[in-house]
Amino acid sequence: ETGVTQTPRHLVMGMTNKKSLKCEQHLGHNAMYWYKQSAKKPLELMFVYSLEERVENNSVPSRFSPECPNSSHLFLHLHTLQPEDSALYLCASSPSGRSTDTQYFGPGTRLTVL
Amino acid sequence: KQEVTQIPAALSVPEGENLVLNCSFTDSAIYNLQWFRQDPGKGLTSLLLIQSSQREQTSGRLNASLDKSSGRSTLYIAASQPGDSATYLCAVRFFGAARQLTFGSGTQLTVLP
Repeated sequence: ETGVTQTPRHLVMGMTNKKSLKCEQHLGHNAMYWYKQSAKKPLELMFVYSLEERVENNSVPSRFSPECPNSSHLFLHLHTLQPEDSALYLCASSPSGRSTDTQYFGPGTRLTVL
Repeated sequence: KQEVTQIPAALSVPEGENLVLNCSFTDSAIYNLQWFRQDPGKGLTSLLLIQSSQREQTSGRLNASLDKSSGRSTLYIAASQPGDSATYLCAVRFFGAARQLTFGSGTQLTVLP
């Protein structure tokens, strides 16, 4: 399998549940990103990992907890979410995280919080 | 505040037309600008990346231009086809946020057969 993959593609959870989103890239990249795309709002960057180290956190609430165990995998752990957290969560990767890099996106996980 | 704006939000054209999508940004100090395509329920596909030192990039029927001084970029699509129907997103990498892409809200394009 090539490119950037995300699982699950769809997720429905209650406000008290704990779930995790998974992203895997097969491109040999060293930087990975989580973005949130809400209805009628632009994509928002949530987290950036470079060489497995978190280098950016865009004021994301603590109910979202990222984890990057190696350069190919990125997780987003979710707990006690709110209905307004319902959105499409997109993962991306890039070769190095440099400003000149192109980012490659996965298909996203459509999250619904009841 | 560094922002990216795309107008119009939606556009519908008959097949075969040439069309232009617009993107404007509030700060001319940028590293680069990137155009993406997003199909319904799917992720983003990178179309063109223009570095700040470049004026335009071309790929097939697509041509993107960049005018940093005026804070504008355009995506030109020649001889549009129904398969071009998608949402087109413009994203800018501003100075001071090298790892972050700031996105516009997109233009939803429908090409009618």
